Amino acid sequence: QVQLQESGPGLVKPSQTLSLTCSVSGGSISSGSYYWSWLRQPAGKRLEWIGRIYSSGSTNYNPSLKSRVTISVDTSKNQFSLRVNSVTAADTAVYYCARGGVWPGEYYFDYWGQGTLVTVSS
Amino acid sequence: EIVMTQSPATLSVSPGEGATLSCRASQSVSNNLAWYQQKPGQGPRLLIYDASTRATGIPARFSGSGSGTQFTLTISSLQSEDFALYYCQQYNNWPRLTFGGGTKVEIK
Repeated sequence: QVQLQESGPGLVKPSQTLSLTCSVSGGSISSGSYYWSWLRQPAGKRLEWIGRIYSSGSTNYNPSLKSRVTISVDTSKNQFSLRVNSVTAADTAVYYCARGGVWPGEYYFDYWGQGTLVTVSS
Repeated sequence: EIVMTQSPATLSVSPGEGATLSCRASQSVSNNLAWYQQKPGQGPRLLIYDASTRATGIPARFSGSGSGTQFTLTISSLQSEDFALYYCQQYNNWPRLTFGGGTKVEIK
């Protein structure tokens, strides 16, 4: 059973960088069978897909966030990470990591972490 | 951006009864639609993909239908563990994936 777990600071100051890590267990990121995504949900708002990464390091991003987001992977630790630059209060949200398909059209998510709340505040 | 509209926002159902949840897309998404279930403190759980294919391990009481702009998730004979929040997601407009606002299924 694949499990994903988000970790990172719960509080980030405005204009700073938000950094989160997703640890994957029960399966290897290096298997090459999946893409690994980040999503978020501000309180009372809709889920938003942020971006994804493949084991090779190839990435795709939501165009609305692309300029401020970087996703990276560390296959030796079976982890992938998210960085969001120049955060504002609008980046306050529950952040999720999730697994998605590798084939074109498989842009849904079959395993998710439980989510971690990140608040942007001074 | 494709806007996904779910209705109703809240559905009150007695255990053992059936429930029908709707999801409408602002433009055609073909059959590129998924349904998720979410419980408090947990991440979403994939129920249905490609509009009507049940994900691995999902009970047969969950079924999805529809194509184009109108989709339905049907839960026959609700069990106690089915009371939760349900979301739809379109993935036809890559990379601009979008989710619906959710339907809460509560105990009547």
